[in-house]
Amino acid sequence: DAMVIQNPRYQVTQFGKPVTLSCSQTLNHNVMYWYQQKSSQAPKLLFHYYDKDFNNEADTPDNFQSRRPNTSFCFLDIRSPGLGDAAMYLCATSRGGGRGSPLHFGNGTRLTVT
Amino acid sequence: QKEVEQDPGPLSVPEGAIVSLNCTYSNSAFQYFMWYRQYSRKGPELLMYTYSSGNKEDGRFTAQVDKSSKYISLFIRDSQPSDSATYLCAMSDLQGAQKLVFGQGTRLTINP
Repeated sequence: DAMVIQNPRYQVTQFGKPVTLSCSQTLNHNVMYWYQQKSSQAPKLLFHYYDKDFNNEADTPDNFQSRRPNTSFCFLDIRSPGLGDAAMYLCATSRGGGRGSPLHFGNGTRLTVT
Repeated sequence: QKEVEQDPGPLSVPEGAIVSLNCTYSNSAFQYFMWYRQYSRKGPELLMYTYSSGNKEDGRFTAQVDKSSKYISLFIRDSQPSDSATYLCAMSDLQGAQKLVFGQGTRLTINP
């Protein structure tokens, strides 16, 4: 089945130690997104790639970076994680284009910062 | 005021009941409306996707959009314990990529 796969499912990192989360998709979608979801809160968009074009949200901290080396893969880099960055990180994809296309989510990576 | 308001619940109903979940929004430019279901420790799963106003039915689920009132609803008929999850409404105005604005989510429990 075509899908969005996130690895790892659970990640523990130390305060200030860089961490990378990965996402891959077999849907061949143009757009890949990263969302942050804290407990009992709505997912919050961090940034997205439309093909190779990177689009950052205005309130995304500089601590968060992303890379998309090809259509299938996208990475979220947190350069110096703080305790407040502990959250579920969700990757999603959509076709993009002129008409609405729903987002398809992976199962997320739960990040713990110690 | 948040762009999308959703009662976080929790909402608890007996098995077989009709469930009504709702969201209100303030941005009249929103055109695309979605409902996602999220089980614990999983990513959101798309349930319903509608464009503009009207109703859409899929099995036990019905989505309604009333753009004049800026109000959307999800109805679940013959609710089952497996429907227990958090339900997120989401919407967008579509400019290029589909950037969703989510509600907070309503936590629903169906009791056997």
